[in-house]
Amino acid sequence: GAVVSQHPSRVICKSGTSVKIECRSLDFQATTMFWYRQFPKQSLMLMATSNEGSKATYEQGVEKDKFLINHASLTLSTLTVTSAHPEDSSFYICSARRLGSSYNEQFFGPGTRLTVL
Amino acid sequence: AQSVTQPDIHITVSEGASLELRCNYSYGATPYLFWYVQSPGQGLQLLLKYFSGDTLVQGIKGFEAEFKRSQSSFNLRKPSVHWSDAAEYFCAVGADRSNDYKLSFGAGTTVTVRA
Repeated sequence: GAVVSQHPSRVICKSGTSVKIECRSLDFQATTMFWYRQFPKQSLMLMATSNEGSKATYEQGVEKDKFLINHASLTLSTLTVTSAHPEDSSFYICSARRLGSSYNEQFFGPGTRLTVL
Repeated sequence: AQSVTQPDIHITVSEGASLELRCNYSYGATPYLFWYVQSPGQGLQLLLKYFSGDTLVQGIKGFEAEFKRSQSSFNLRKPSVHWSDAAEYFCAVGADRSNDYKLSFGAGTTVTVRA
């Protein structure tokens, strides 16, 4: 159990376009989902925390109008990179925390590689 | 706020030799501690976690870690390394509900295994 999927796994887009990445918890309900960004050979940096039915909380330095997060249900969160530019190229990883869990345990998706040309 | 330090950027070890990866954390309360492994271009795989109880934690793939509160450390060990253990290893500390259960990751340690 506790499987998280991401779609797409890889996407290439032109500069100026928007890209949507989906994060789904397949076999559990997720009260909270997290979005991370990872540059090559670097660590994961938390971008934002989203709770189902409420607005996402963004980390300092992350543009909320640039990275739109929607957490419409207990199994789905989406990250939309708006007007993407080459500097947005990165590996985006989501994680989900199980509803009702009293522990801090996050289950990670396989990641989405975004390349902006 | 919590933070994690992984002092070793890169470690090279011979196949069959032992491995120890260091992790030091900073957190004001009892921490949730994790070790993850990441192969190139892949997501994270949880190796083991510590929430409470026994300070020596057993994980998958023959890994173990020991929580030492006095040293604020959570070092990862494996007695005999296999070539497939070559990967990036991340230590992470998790906050509690008061900080939205956020995870903070260390910079990572790259492990190279030589034949």
